[in-house]
Amino acid sequence: AQSVTQLDSHVSVSEGTPVLLRCNYSSSYSPSLFWYVQHPNKGLQLLLKYTSAATLVKGINGFEAEFKKSETSFHLTKPSAHMSDAAEYFCVVSETAGTALIFGKGTTLSVSS
Amino acid sequence: SAVISQKPSRDICQRGTSLTIQCQVDSQVTMMFWYRQQPGQSLTLIATANQGSEATYESGFVIDKFPISRPNLTFSTLTVSNMSPEDSSIYLCSVGDRVNSYNEQFFGPGTRLTVL
Repeated sequence: AQSVTQLDSHVSVSEGTPVLLRCNYSSSYSPSLFWYVQHPNKGLQLLLKYTSAATLVKGINGFEAEFKKSETSFHLTKPSAHMSDAAEYFCVVSETAGTALIFGKGTTLSVSS
Repeated sequence: SAVISQKPSRDICQRGTSLTIQCQVDSQVTMMFWYRQQPGQSLTLIATANQGSEATYESGFVIDKFPISRPNLTFSTLTVSNMSPEDSSIYLCSVGDRVNSYNEQFFGPGTRLTVL
Protein backbone atom coordinates (compact mmCIF):
# COMPACT_ATOMS: atom_id res chain seq x y z
CA ALA A 1 0.00 0.00 0.00
CA GLN A 2 1.16 3.47 -0.75
CA SER A 3 1.62 6.16 1.88
CA VAL A 4 3.25 9.51 2.40
CA THR A 5 4.95 10.88 5.51
CA GLN A 6 5.68 14.56 5.86
CA LEU A 7 8.34 14.73 8.52
CA ASP A 8 7.57 18.22 9.81
CA SER A 9 4.13 19.51 10.68
CA HIS A 10 5.42 23.09 10.91
CA VAL A 11 8.48 24.82 9.43
CA SER A 12 9.43 28.41 10.19
CA VAL A 13 11.97 30.38 8.16
CA SER A 14 13.03 33.96 7.70
CA GLU A 15 12.44 35.75 4.45
CA GLY A 16 15.40 35.24 2.10
CA THR A 17 16.58 32.00 3.73
CA PRO A 18 16.29 28.51 2.19
CA VAL A 19 13.22 26.35 2.55
CA LEU A 20 13.27 22.57 3.06
CA LEU A 21 10.05 20.58 3.44
CA ARG A 22 10.67 16.87 3.91
CA CYS A 23 8.62 14.03 2.48
CA ASN A 24 9.11 10.26 2.49
CA TYR A 25 6.90 7.88 0.57
CA SER A 26 6.08 4.21 0.51
CA SER A 27 4.97 2.56 -2.70
CA SER A 28 5.06 -0.89 -4.22
CA TYR A 29 5.57 0.42 -7.72
CA SER A 30 7.18 3.38 -9.43
CA PRO A 31 5.04 6.15 -8.06
CA SER A 32 4.08 9.55 -9.31
CA LEU A 33 4.83 12.20 -6.70
CA PHE A 34 3.46 15.69 -6.34
CA TRP A 35 3.67 18.74 -4.15
CA TYR A 36 0.53 20.85 -3.77
CA VAL A 37 0.20 24.17 -1.98
CA GLN A 38 -2.89 25.53 -0.25
CA HIS A 39 -2.99 29.18 0.71
CA PRO A 40 -5.44 30.23 3.44
CA ASN A 41 -9.02 30.11 2.18
CA LYS A 42 -7.87 29.24 -1.32
CA GLY A 43 -7.89 26.11 -3.43
CA LEU A 44 -5.12 23.60 -4.00
CA GLN A 45 -2.45 24.44 -6.53
CA LEU A 46 0.02 22.02 -8.07
CA LEU A 47 3.60 23.11 -7.42
CA LEU A 48 5.41 20.33 -9.24
CA LYS A 49 5.25 16.67 -10.14
CA TYR A 50 7.56 13.71 -10.68
CA THR A 51 6.45 11.04 -13.13
CA SER A 52 9.60 8.93 -13.78
CA ALA A 53 11.37 11.44 -16.00
CA ALA A 54 14.15 13.64 -14.58
CA THR A 55 14.74 13.09 -10.86
CA LEU A 56 15.18 16.81 -10.20
CA VAL A 57 11.88 18.50 -10.83
CA LYS A 58 11.41 22.23 -11.12
CA GLY A 59 8.07 23.76 -10.29
CA ILE A 60 6.43 27.12 -10.05
CA ASN A 61 7.53 30.04 -7.87
CA GLY A 62 11.14 28.83 -7.64
CA PHE A 63 10.38 25.54 -5.91
CA GLU A 64 12.05 22.29 -6.84
CA ALA A 65 12.13 18.72 -5.55
CA GLU A 66 14.46 15.78 -5.99
CA PHE A 67 13.24 12.21 -6.27
CA LYS A 68 15.62 9.85 -4.45
CA LYS A 69 14.54 6.26 -4.86
CA SER A 70 17.23 4.86 -2.56
CA GLU A 71 15.98 7.10 0.25
CA THR A 72 12.30 6.98 -0.78
CA SER A 73 12.27 10.74 -0.43
CA PHE A 74 10.86 13.67 -2.37
CA HIS A 75 11.89 16.76 -0.42
CA LEU A 76 10.74 20.22 -1.53
CA THR A 77 13.24 23.08 -1.57
CA LYS A 78 13.49 26.74 -2.45
CA PRO A 79 16.70 28.77 -2.26
CA SER A 80 15.13 31.93 -0.85
CA ALA A 81 11.80 32.16 0.94
CA HIS A 82 9.32 34.93 0.23
CA MET A 83 6.55 36.12 2.48
CA SER A 84 4.01 34.94 -0.06
CA ASP A 85 5.27 31.35 0.35
CA ALA A 86 3.54 31.07 3.71
CA ALA A 87 0.95 28.34 3.22
CA GLU A 88 0.14 24.67 3.78
CA TYR A 89 2.13 22.23 1.64
CA PHE A 90 1.06 18.69 0.85
CA CYS A 91 3.23 15.88 -0.46
CA VAL A 92 1.13 13.50 -2.53
CA VAL A 93 1.65 10.08 -4.10
CA SER A 94 -0.20 8.22 -6.82
CA GLU A 95 0.77 4.70 -7.84
CA THR A 96 -1.06 4.46 -11.11
CA ALA A 97 -2.23 7.06 -13.57
CA GLY A 98 -5.89 7.65 -13.06
CA THR A 99 -6.01 6.48 -9.49
CA ALA A 100 -6.72 8.71 -6.58
CA LEU A 101 -4.09 10.76 -4.81
CA ILE A 102 -2.84 9.90 -1.33
CA PHE A 103 -2.09 13.05 0.65
CA GLY A 104 0.42 13.55 3.43
CA LYS A 105 -0.74 15.32 6.58
CA GLY A 106 0.70 18.61 5.40
CA THR A 107 3.44 21.01 6.50
CA THR A 108 2.63 24.56 7.50
CA LEU A 109 5.30 26.95 6.28
CA SER A 110 5.64 30.23 8.14
CA VAL A 111 7.84 33.02 6.78
CA SER A 112 8.92 35.89 9.01
CA SER A 113 10.38 39.22 7.94
CA SER B 1 -5.49 22.51 -17.52
CA ALA B 2 -9.11 22.01 -16.51
CA VAL B 3 -11.11 24.75 -14.85
CA ILE B 4 -13.38 23.47 -12.12
CA SER B 5 -16.15 25.28 -10.30
CA GLN B 6 -18.10 24.17 -7.25
CA LYS B 7 -21.42 25.27 -5.85
CA PRO B 8 -22.07 26.35 -3.19
CA SER B 9 -18.75 27.81 -2.11
CA ARG B 10 -19.86 27.59 1.51
CA ASP B 11 -22.95 26.77 3.52
CA ILE B 12 -24.16 26.53 7.07
CA CYS B 13 -26.64 23.73 7.63
CA GLN B 14 -28.71 22.29 10.44
CA ARG B 15 -28.16 18.85 11.88
CA GLY B 16 -30.20 16.15 10.14
CA THR B 17 -30.52 17.94 6.81
CA SER B 18 -28.77 17.15 3.51
CA LEU B 19 -26.68 19.25 1.16
CA THR B 20 -25.86 18.60 -2.48
CA ILE B 21 -22.58 19.96 -3.81
CA GLN B 22 -22.11 20.48 -7.52
CA CYS B 23 -18.87 20.18 -9.47
CA GLN B 24 -18.66 21.54 -13.02
CA VAL B 25 -15.67 21.13 -15.35
CA ASP B 26 -14.98 23.15 -18.48
CA SER B 27 -13.92 20.07 -20.46
CA GLN B 28 -14.90 16.43 -20.73
CA VAL B 29 -13.13 14.19 -18.23
CA THR B 30 -13.54 10.51 -17.52
CA MET B 31 -12.44 10.44 -13.92
CA MET B 32 -13.65 12.69 -11.12
CA PHE B 33 -12.80 12.40 -7.45
CA TRP B 34 -14.39 13.72 -4.27
CA TYR B 35 -12.24 14.55 -1.24
CA ARG B 36 -12.95 15.73 2.28
CA GLN B 37 -10.68 18.01 4.29
CA GLN B 38 -11.67 18.17 7.94
CA PRO B 39 -10.61 21.24 9.94
CA GLY B 40 -6.84 21.40 10.24
CA GLN B 41 -6.43 18.07 8.50
CA SER B 42 -5.21 16.74 5.18
CA LEU B 43 -7.38 15.57 2.32
CA THR B 44 -9.06 12.18 2.38
CA LEU B 45 -10.58 10.56 -0.68
CA ILE B 46 -14.31 9.88 -0.38
CA ALA B 47 -14.99 8.25 -3.74
CA THR B 48 -14.09 8.01 -7.40
CA ALA B 49 -16.86 8.90 -9.84
CA ASN B 50 -16.54 7.66 -13.39
CA GLN B 51 -19.18 8.47 -15.94
CA GLY B 52 -21.34 5.49 -16.80
CA SER B 53 -20.60 3.44 -13.70
CA GLU B 54 -21.32 3.42 -10.00
CA ALA B 55 -19.04 5.48 -7.80
CA THR B 56 -16.33 3.60 -5.93
CA TYR B 57 -16.16 4.47 -2.23
CA GLU B 58 -13.14 4.37 0.03
CA SER B 59 -13.11 2.59 3.35
CA GLY B 60 -15.14 4.51 5.89
CA PHE B 61 -17.44 6.15 3.35
CA VAL B 62 -20.76 4.70 2.22
CA ILE B 63 -23.21 5.49 -0.54
CA ASP B 64 -26.13 6.07 1.83
CA LYS B 65 -24.24 8.89 3.54
CA PHE B 66 -22.49 10.33 0.47
CA PRO B 67 -24.50 9.55 -2.66
CA ILE B 68 -22.79 10.67 -5.86
CA SER B 69 -24.17 11.32 -9.31
CA ARG B 70 -22.18 11.54 -12.53
CA PRO B 71 -24.69 12.19 -15.31
CA ASN B 72 -22.16 13.29 -17.95
CA LEU B 73 -18.49 13.94 -18.60
CA THR B 74 -18.46 17.50 -17.24
CA PHE B 75 -20.58 17.32 -14.09
CA SER B 76 -20.91 15.52 -10.79
CA THR B 77 -22.71 15.99 -7.50
CA LEU B 78 -21.94 14.84 -3.98
CA THR B 79 -24.69 14.81 -1.37
CA VAL B 80 -23.90 14.87 2.33
CA SER B 81 -26.92 13.21 3.93
CA ASN B 82 -28.36 13.42 7.42
CA MET B 83 -25.63 15.79 8.45
CA SER B 84 -24.04 16.03 11.88
CA PRO B 85 -21.43 18.51 13.19
CA GLU B 86 -18.74 15.90 12.41
CA ASP B 87 -19.47 16.45 8.71
CA SER B 88 -18.21 20.03 8.96
CA SER B 89 -15.39 20.05 6.41
CA ILE B 90 -14.22 21.37 3.10
CA TYR B 91 -15.38 19.14 0.26
CA LEU B 92 -13.35 19.23 -2.94
CA CYS B 93 -13.76 17.67 -6.31
CA SER B 94 -10.88 16.96 -8.63
CA VAL B 95 -10.47 15.71 -12.16
CA GLY B 96 -7.78 13.78 -13.94
CA ASP B 97 -5.90 15.49 -16.75
CA ARG B 98 -6.44 13.56 -19.97
CA VAL B 99 -3.43 15.13 -21.68
CA ASN B 100 -1.08 13.80 -19.04
CA SER B 101 -2.74 10.40 -18.95
CA TYR B 102 -4.59 11.36 -15.81
CA ASN B 103 -1.33 11.67 -13.87
CA GLU B 104 -2.13 15.20 -12.85
CA GLN B 105 -5.25 16.24 -11.01
CA PHE B 106 -6.85 19.64 -10.83
CA PHE B 107 -8.93 20.67 -7.88
CA GLY B 108 -11.99 22.76 -7.53
CA PRO B 109 -12.03 25.65 -5.03
CA GLY B 110 -13.89 23.55 -2.46
CA THR B 111 -17.17 23.83 -0.58
CA ARG B 112 -16.83 24.85 3.06
CA LEU B 113 -19.61 23.17 5.04
CA THR B 114 -20.50 23.98 8.62
CA VAL B 115 -23.09 21.86 10.39
CA LEU B 116 -24.70 23.25 13.52
